[in-house]
Amino acid sequence: ETGVTQSPTHLIKTRGQQVTLRCSSQSGHNTVSWYQQALGQGPQFIFQYYREEENGRGNFPPRFSGLQFPNYSSELNVNALELDDSALYLCASSLTVSSGANVLTFGAGSRLTVL
Amino acid sequence: KNEVEQSPQNLTAQEGEFITINCSYSVGISALHWLQQHPGGGIVSLFMLSSGKKKHGRLIATINIQEKHSSLHITASHPRDSAVYICAVTMDSNYQLIWGAGTKLIIKP
Repeated sequence: ETGVTQSPTHLIKTRGQQVTLRCSSQSGHNTVSWYQQALGQGPQFIFQYYREEENGRGNFPPRFSGLQFPNYSSELNVNALELDDSALYLCASSLTVSSGANVLTFGAGSRLTVL
Repeated sequence: KNEVEQSPQNLTAQEGEFITINCSYSVGISALHWLQQHPGGGIVSLFMLSSGKKKHGRLIATINIQEKHSSLHITASHPRDSAVYICAVTMDSNYQLIWGAGTKLIIKP
C-alpha cells in the first residue's frame, strides 16, 4: 500500500486535554515530518523524525512531542491543549538519503478543533 | 523578510490561459518543492527540483539556482487546477521544509 495515512481525520477536544495523532508513512520511507496549519495560513514545521530519532524541531513548546516506531510510522502528541492548537496537522514521509533532499508524500491531515 | 516569497498571492484566470507562479528564496537550499493543496487540506507534492526543469503533463517547473528563483507553469489551465500552490525549500543545513505563503489559483470556466 502506497501513500501516507493519518488518523483520525477529524477530532474535537477541550482545553487542557491531550491528543495523539497518528501517521503511517509510505512504504520504504524512513523520515516523517509533522506540520501544523492554522486556518488560512501556511504550514509550520513542528518536528521531524528519522529512524526513530528526532532530527529537527520547529518553534513549538515541549507539550508537542512525537515518536517514530521501528516501522517508521509516527505519532504526534499534544498535551494541555490550548484553543490556538486548533489546526490541520499534516504528516509527510520521505526517504532521507545523504543529499538530504527527497520527494515528500503528504497525508490528508488530521483536523483538530479545541473548544 | 520571509525566506521564501511567492507571487502572486492570488490569481484568477480563464480556462485555457497559461499560468505562471513565481517563487524566490534567500537561503541556501538542497531542493525546492512545488506542492498543491486543495480545499479541505490534502497536500500533493508536484515537483522536487535541485536544478533545471521538470515537466509532468500540463505542469512545468523551472529553477535558477544562481538567481534563487523558481517558476511553476500550467499550460491550458482547467477549473480543476484551482487550488493553492505552495513553494517550499529544503535548506542545505537541515532537512526542515520552509514554506512560502502559497498562491491561491482560481480558474474560471
